[in-house]
Amino acid sequence: AQKVTQAQTEISVVEKEDVTLDCVYETRDTTYYLFWYKQPPSGELVFLIRRNSFDEQNEISGRYSWNFQKSTSSFNFTITASQVVDSAVYFCALVTQGGSEKLVFGKGMKLTVNP
Amino acid sequence: DAGVIQSPRHEVTEMGQEVTLRCKPISGHNSLFWYRQTMMRGLELLIYFNNNVPIDDSGMPEDRFSAKMPNASFSTLKIQPSEPRDSAVYFCASSLGRGRAADTQYFGPGTRLTVL
Repeated sequence: AQKVTQAQTEISVVEKEDVTLDCVYETRDTTYYLFWYKQPPSGELVFLIRRNSFDEQNEISGRYSWNFQKSTSSFNFTITASQVVDSAVYFCALVTQGGSEKLVFGKGMKLTVNP
Repeated sequence: DAGVIQSPRHEVTEMGQEVTLRCKPISGHNSLFWYRQTMMRGLELLIYFNNNVPIDDSGMPEDRFSAKMPNASFSTLKIQPSEPRDSAVYFCASSLGRGRAADTQYFGPGTRLTVL
């Protein structure tokens, strides 16, 4: 069975602080894909990144970066110099090659960035 | 390009009434997904289609829920009869659905359903 754990449920930071959102996954499949989605207060789910299990290179996109470590089954997300607009619930998700297209989501982590 | 379109955005109904939620996937996408989001259970997949065919409906809670996809550009999720515990946000998502799990799912804005 597949599982995604986001141990932190809520984090509050002050603007310009760096913040890391943790994601730990479980799967027995060797081929899988990891995702991060953002859900701002308006409610929609916004795709941020997709990573496959064979690519452990870290990725940076502006103030966002992702650290994928198969050895610890983690796919952590860091926001550098956070801004108020980053306030949202962030979801980590997993889909395995053997699980067809079923995305398994973590419970989400609410980030509040205060001015 | 238009994203996934859902209607209505908000629905308030009374217990026992029939509710129909609608979704138009992104043009060219072959897979369509229905999710439900609640505080207690988080985001859970209800059903998904590939090329208009239901592939996995194991997440559909009970017989009161049904979903159809009569063509590539339209799907409905129906609840009959509705109950207060069905109150949730229902998301529709679509992906290229080329038979690869790697295809990213893009979500619609959701329908917030309240059953009184």
